Amino acid sequence: QKEVEQNSGPLSVPEGAIASLNCTYSDRGSQSFFWYRQYSGKSPELIMSIYSNGDKEDGRFTAQLNKASQYVSLLIRDSQPSDSATYLCAVKNYGQNFVFGPGTRLSVLP
Amino acid sequence: DTAVSQTPKYLVTQMGNDKSIKCEQNLGHDTMYWYKQDSKKFLKIMFSYNNKELIINETVPNRFSPKSPDKAHLNLHINSLELGDSAVYFCASSQTNSNQPQHFGDGTRLSIL
Repeated sequence: QKEVEQNSGPLSVPEGAIASLNCTYSDRGSQSFFWYRQYSGKSPELIMSIYSNGDKEDGRFTAQLNKASQYVSLLIRDSQPSDSATYLCAVKNYGQNFVFGPGTRLSVLP
Repeated sequence: DTAVSQTPKYLVTQMGNDKSIKCEQNLGHDTMYWYKQDSKKFLKIMFSYNNKELIINETVPNRFSPKSPDKAHLNLHINSLELGDSAVYFCASSQTNSNQPQHFGDGTRLSIL
């Protein structure tokens, strides 16, 4: 089992819809969870951090964490074509190491 | 500007050559990393240094040698470059024993002819 798993996509949603990106992790001792956005040819850019169970909202983005299910998700409301990118889930595990998922490619169709 | 900066941005070279990529961070972080991202876009950890000490050394050919002169710098030297080394190499930094994320440099696109 890979440490951090994501659906590779591509996930296609129409403009204005909600995009839902999912991530599961295997290290039950993980404490910190991050979502990065990576545009083609660019470096990963942090968009959300979450540390506690529940929801965390920042503008159009909501991160959801469920440590019991070892699951973290990212919702993007009112998706825009500019949201089209690869979204990387990263987990800081018990050993203080960052582990990245393979990324989900999101395509928002105008 | 506070950031992770790496040079060069692009590196085009012949097979068999030796090249270096430099990375510097002025965020005061104690840990620095090198990642390789290939054409399939998977971000793969190569090395991690904490206060100049190697703490992660994934299965990477020994043609790759990281060097950390101080905790703000982590350079990557590659000997005898091969076609399969073509990728984007990202430097990143973070602070251990915190819940803060990693910060990434802009990447170095290495192309082997």
